Amino acid sequence: GAVVSQHPSWVICKSGTSVKIECRSLDFQATTMFWYRQFPKQSLMLMATSNEGSKATYEQGVEKDKFLINHASLTLSTLTVTSAHPEDSSFYICSAYQPSRTVNTEAFFGQGTRLTVV
Amino acid sequence: AQTVTQSQPEMSVQEAETVTLSCTYDTSESDYYLFWYKQPPSRQMILVIRQEAYKQQNATENRFSVNFQKAAKSFSLKISDSQLGDAAMYFCAYSSYNQGGKLIFGQGTELSVKP
Repeated sequence: GAVVSQHPSWVICKSGTSVKIECRSLDFQATTMFWYRQFPKQSLMLMATSNEGSKATYEQGVEKDKFLINHASLTLSTLTVTSAHPEDSSFYICSAYQPSRTVNTEAFFGQGTRLTVV
Repeated sequence: AQTVTQSQPEMSVQEAETVTLSCTYDTSESDYYLFWYKQPPSRQMILVIRQEAYKQQNATENRFSVNFQKAAKSFSLKISDSQLGDAAMYFCAYSSYNQGGKLIFGQGTELSVKP
């Protein structure tokens, strides 16, 4: 399968600061990338869909001014958590979509980023 | 809107035995994909098996197989000859045919394997 690299794996930041998380598709061009949030022992909740060169589409209830998503190239999407607060502490996972000739859906996941806001 | 439901928060199986994880979903679409993902303690999401809704034949991948009942909107995962490495959180997921890569996940089932 294709490789998606997410960086950093974990980060601790102070309340009120911003933190950027990168998601890179290493060996393929991803037309679309997705950002999910996962609380401990819970499921993955889709936050937003990121398309290269256009504005991200946010799911209902997700603050787009707080979670800034940029998809500047076909291999890189970034999620910036602005003015972070302790309640933003969570596990953030990205996935990259590669259209396949045989199967329409082929999403590859990054390793995830554990964010702790103190 | 589509929803995915996993009603078993936890399951346990003896090593070498068989276990079945349940999943139901709700959709008004006729074309879609269903998935089972495994999330071990490392939290890396691993695709276990995929089913296209237009295919009547149940998907199989080595020790993993599904029982896809489209009319009942049911999609269970059977793990045969369970191994210690199968212990993980398992998520059932749905994707619309025209929204490639966008996944809606169930709540998850934590599987433990007893030696």
